[in-house]
Amino acid sequence: IAGITQAPTSQILAAGRRMTLRCTQDMRHNAMYWYRQDLGLGLRLIHYSNTAGTTGKGEVPDGYSVSRANTDDFPLTLASAVPSQTSVYFCASSASGDTDTQYFGPGTRLTVL
Amino acid sequence: GQNIDQPTEMTATEGAIVQINCTYQTSGFNGLFWYQQHAGEAPTFLSYNVLDGLEEKGRFSSFLSRSKGYSYLLLKELQMKDSASYLCAVRESNYQLIWGAGTKLIIKP
Repeated sequence: IAGITQAPTSQILAAGRRMTLRCTQDMRHNAMYWYRQDLGLGLRLIHYSNTAGTTGKGEVPDGYSVSRANTDDFPLTLASAVPSQTSVYFCASSASGDTDTQYFGPGTRLTVL
Repeated sequence: GQNIDQPTEMTATEGAIVQINCTYQTSGFNGLFWYQQHAGEAPTFLSYNVLDGLEEKGRFSSFLSRSKGYSYLLLKELQMKDSASYLCAVRESNYQLIWGAGTKLIIKP
């Protein structure tokens, strides 16, 4: 059982480039989330999806977009990366969007130069 | 506004007991979570409280007082592997989680 996988594990990216972070889960969870984690700050929600075909904005959505074409995949795209998007990105999923525990992927460490 | 406060860092001795506090001010309340995060790894679920009182799970217990906006995580019989960050998160009325910055726990022999 893989749970949640993320790719790549780490990436160094030039500012202005487009980048897609991948997230796949095999638990048939309805809800999925993208967070960023920065030193000294709590996890901050970027975007979420309560079910396939729907997405919503979190606390810090600017500069990011997501799609949820099916239950398993929830890619996060940076259209034009900026240095302030340097962070560790975690994808998470839960059985439903309201009452269930969130389970996290291993994370992607992104550096934008 | 939304705010979750935890101590930045704590130090404890192997075999001892440590209590990590979390206070919160959020838009509504639908439960409080504690997660453990080892350096360079993903957060992993430890406990969930939605009603007042103590929830015990092996060496770990979590307490909640909704009227005081307060929770703590109690770790007993500390082991070196318990060295990690402990994250407090509150589920708000919109069911989104608001996260504290985490408490780094250092265990010394």
